[in-house]
Amino acid sequence: DIQMTQSPSSLSASVGDRVTITCRASQTISNYLNWYQQKPGKAPKLLIHAASRLQGGVPSRFRGSGSGTYFTLTISSLQPEDIATYYCQQSYTTSVTFGQGTRLEIK
Amino acid sequence: EVQLVQSGAEVKKPGESLKISCKGSGYSFTNYWIGWVRQMPGKGLEWVGIIYPGDSDARYNPSFQGQVTISADKSISTAYLQWSSLKASDTAMYFCARHVGDSGSDYWGQGTLVTVSS
Repeated sequence: DIQMTQSPSSLSASVGDRVTITCRASQTISNYLNWYQQKPGKAPKLLIHAASRLQGGVPSRFRGSGSGTYFTLTISSLQPEDIATYYCQQSYTTSVTFGQGTRLEIK
Repeated sequence: EVQLVQSGAEVKKPGESLKISCKGSGYSFTNYWIGWVRQMPGKGLEWVGIIYPGDSDARYNPSFQGQVTISADKSISTAYLQWSSLKASDTAMYFCARHVGDSGSDYWGQGTLVTVSS
């Protein structure tokens, strides 16, 4: 199975800060990398697919980049409603795997 | 409107069997993979497996192979996740999601909480 390593596991930042989360794959996955936001008690929400394509309705402050084995999710200006846990997911094969998650908190 | 609606919460005893469901609507159910995801209390997301309802091709995360069975009934646009003998460690929230390889899991069910306790 392809292992996904996400960092950091938790992050505290202030409103307006630029925030970056990284995700590394144990082997190349081209651009088959997706990012999700999960708020407590809710189902995950797809933010970005194919490494950099913003899902409809997602604010433009969210940006994804990368290819191969290294990927990033950047929030350009953190808003209070962005408090959540973020997960990367590789869908290169049907044996899908997630990163362990990054819990984002407001400082 | 695409929707995935899951069956309600379950409380079971160890050793009992269980089948939970995920009903799709608003799209061609047979043309998209449906994945199942486990989230244990306070933990991250784990991929259980996936099924293509068009031909019932099911594939499992090796960690879940032999522990669960994924199936689908395309006549009623419903996918299932089942256990033949539950353990306390199966206690978790289970989500279904419509999945496209190059587009991710774009629609999710609301989740089914499974509690296994003696």
